Amino acid sequence: DTAVSQTPKYLVTQMGNDKSIKCEQNLGHDTMYWYKQDSKKFLKIMFSYNNKELIINETVPNRFSPKSPDKAHLNLHINSLELGDSAVYFCASSRRTSGYNEQFFGPGTRLTVL
Amino acid sequence: SQKIEQNSEALNIQEGKTATLTCNYTNYSPAYLQWYRQDPGRGPVFLLLIRENEKEKRKERLKVTFDTTLKQSLFHITASQPADSATYLCALDMRSGGNKLVFGAGTILRVKS
Repeated sequence: DTAVSQTPKYLVTQMGNDKSIKCEQNLGHDTMYWYKQDSKKFLKIMFSYNNKELIINETVPNRFSPKSPDKAHLNLHINSLELGDSAVYFCASSRRTSGYNEQFFGPGTRLTVL
Repeated sequence: SQKIEQNSEALNIQEGKTATLTCNYTNYSPAYLQWYRQDPGRGPVFLLLIRENEKEKRKERLKVTFDTTLKQSLFHITASQPADSATYLCALDMRSGGNKLVFGAGTILRVKS
């Protein structure tokens, strides 16, 4: 049983294109996140949604737009892709009301912009 | 400026020994600190969480300490096994601002048999 799933696992595209990454969790969590892990392995928060409401929006170019159609899904749309967007993108979820905030991560989407 | 630092070099140890990983931070005041394990090509997996008022937390062969005065957490794996080889990430759990986690770059642990 997959807890947090992402599609696609690999995404290779040309500069200037628009692409989307999808994320779904079946854990019944109320909060979902997008992280970016660059080539130096730093994992940085980009966005967080709680019950479909945006609660964290780090300094991310507005070419990146998250969308949460319901509590179980958080998608990431990226416009006008640039070389520097190449990275691994992880979706995660947690139960904010649990008090513990341990986060469950998806397998990642490796985005390569050529 | 705010920083979170983990052992920059990989840690190589012999099977059966205790591995100790360090996480230091400056100009943060986390309410909690978490440790995750990440295997190549996979997402991080939660291991342990420790609160600011707890000195130590244990789970099976894992032990975490948290010293808010030194601004440091130590992560120990006792009786290490080759299967423990992975990258270990510490994360500051900032409860203000939407439950944000601030991750260190991780320490690569290699356990040799």
